[in-house]
Amino acid sequence: SQQGEEDPQALSIQEGENATMNCSYKTSINNLQWYRQNSGRGLVHLILIRSNEREKHSGRLRVTLDTSKKSSSLLITASRAADTASYFCASNYTGANSKLTFGKGITLSVRP
Amino acid sequence: DGGITQSPKYLFRKEGQNVTLSCEQNLNHDAMYWYRQDPGQGLRLIYYSQIVNDFQKGDIAEGYSVSREKKESFPLTVTSAQKNPTAFYLCASSRGYNQPQHFGDGTRLSIL
Repeated sequence: SQQGEEDPQALSIQEGENATMNCSYKTSINNLQWYRQNSGRGLVHLILIRSNEREKHSGRLRVTLDTSKKSSSLLITASRAADTASYFCASNYTGANSKLTFGKGITLSVRP
Repeated sequence: DGGITQSPKYLFRKEGQNVTLSCEQNLNHDAMYWYRQDPGQGLRLIYYSQIVNDFQKGDIAEGYSVSREKKESFPLTVTSAQKNPTAFYLCASSRGYNQPQHFGDGTRLSIL
């Protein structure tokens, strides 16, 4: 299986704190994507980082990619209770017609 | 507004029965996907399609079938051969395989 790993599996923080989530993947990628899922809903795409990029920002989100370590991190700054959700990384591995491979997800709880 | 619509939201299957989950998109996306989500398992790919009248098996296609007669529609049939169908089913679409995916809000299937 090419499924990568995310850590931690669960994270609980206080509102206003930063949340850092990590993702590792198996082989070379075209890009890596982060998604968010609220309970009982579909996934929502947050950010995509290409293999030749090292860092990307979108609002309160910051994503880094280290291809030498085959890992990525998602940082949510100044967290809010509304950020409570599951977060998934998805790897787009190189190769013809390669689809996304999703991790098992990280459950983030932000306490008001 | 463009998006993906999945129906029904909840579905119950009797023993030996086939059931069909609907997925419609008006995003003009070429690629469509079906995923199964079980607690703690992340998303697993069932079937995917890049063009009309063509589709490929994903990682867990046994017991499922699909059709792609129109670009907008990608229905999934859960057959009686699928012995453990209870799960949350998610449909997604994208412009291409390495592009961000847009998800519907899922169908929760249970056995009566």
